[in-house]
Amino acid sequence: KAGVTQTPRYLIKTRGQQVTLSCSPISGHRSVSWYQQTPGQGLQFLFEYFSETQRNKGNFPGRFSGRQFSNSRSEMNVSTLELGDSALYLCASSFLAAKVTDTQYFGPGTRLTVL
Amino acid sequence: DQQVKQNSPSLSVQEGRISILNCDYTNSMFDYFLWYKKYPAEGPTFLISISSIKDKNEDGRFTVFLNKSAKHLSLHIVPSQPGDSAVYFCAASPNYGGATNKLIFGTGTLLAVQP
Repeated sequence: KAGVTQTPRYLIKTRGQQVTLSCSPISGHRSVSWYQQTPGQGLQFLFEYFSETQRNKGNFPGRFSGRQFSNSRSEMNVSTLELGDSALYLCASSFLAAKVTDTQYFGPGTRLTVL
Repeated sequence: DQQVKQNSPSLSVQEGRISILNCDYTNSMFDYFLWYKKYPAEGPTFLISISSIKDKNEDGRFTVFLNKSAKHLSLHIVPSQPGDSAVYFCAASPNYGGATNKLIFGTGTLLAVQP
C-alpha cells in the first residue's frame, strides 16, 4: 500500500510569490492534516480536512489556505510569501479521524525555501 | 505559547542502555498523548501513545509514562539501539468535544545512540 505522497519535494520561491503544495493521502483515508516544521518551533498545526470540509484551523495568517478534493487529495496555498515561510511542510492522513486514536501517517514533506 | 515542551534538545546514550525522553505540557484539556520518531528526509512515524486515563503503556522496547498531576510524560527505550537515533517528538491532542486529528507538538529531542 502506497504511503502519503507530497509534491514537490523541494521548492524555491522568492518573496511575494505564491506557492501550491500537494498531498495525496493513503488510499481510503479521508482525513488530511497539514503541519509546518521550522527549527526550534517543532511542528505547528495548519489545518485539517475531512471529506472536503475544513474542520480545524491553526493560528496562521490568512495567506495560508487549503482545500480537499472529492478524492481526498489536498492542496495548501501560501500567497505573498515571506522569508519566515521557509519551512518543511508536512501532510498527514488517517482513515476517519472519528477518534483521536486513529493513527496518522505522515508524508516526507515539501521543503520550501523563500529567498 | 508552547503548550508542549521538550526541554532537552538532544540526548546521547550508549547502545544497550536506557534512553529517557521527557515532555511537559501546560494544557489540562489534553487527553491523549503520542510520541513520533523522525529520521532525516522522512516524515514523522507514530511510535506509541497513551490515553489520559492510563499512567503507563508498553510496546516492546518502548514504554510511555504519564504523570497527570505533574503534567509530565516520558518515553523509555530499553535497550537502546543505534537504529533508534532520530528526533523524537512528543504530541498532545486537545479534547474539544468533537472529532479532530489536531496535534500539538513539542520541539523535539535528538537522540543519538552510540555503538
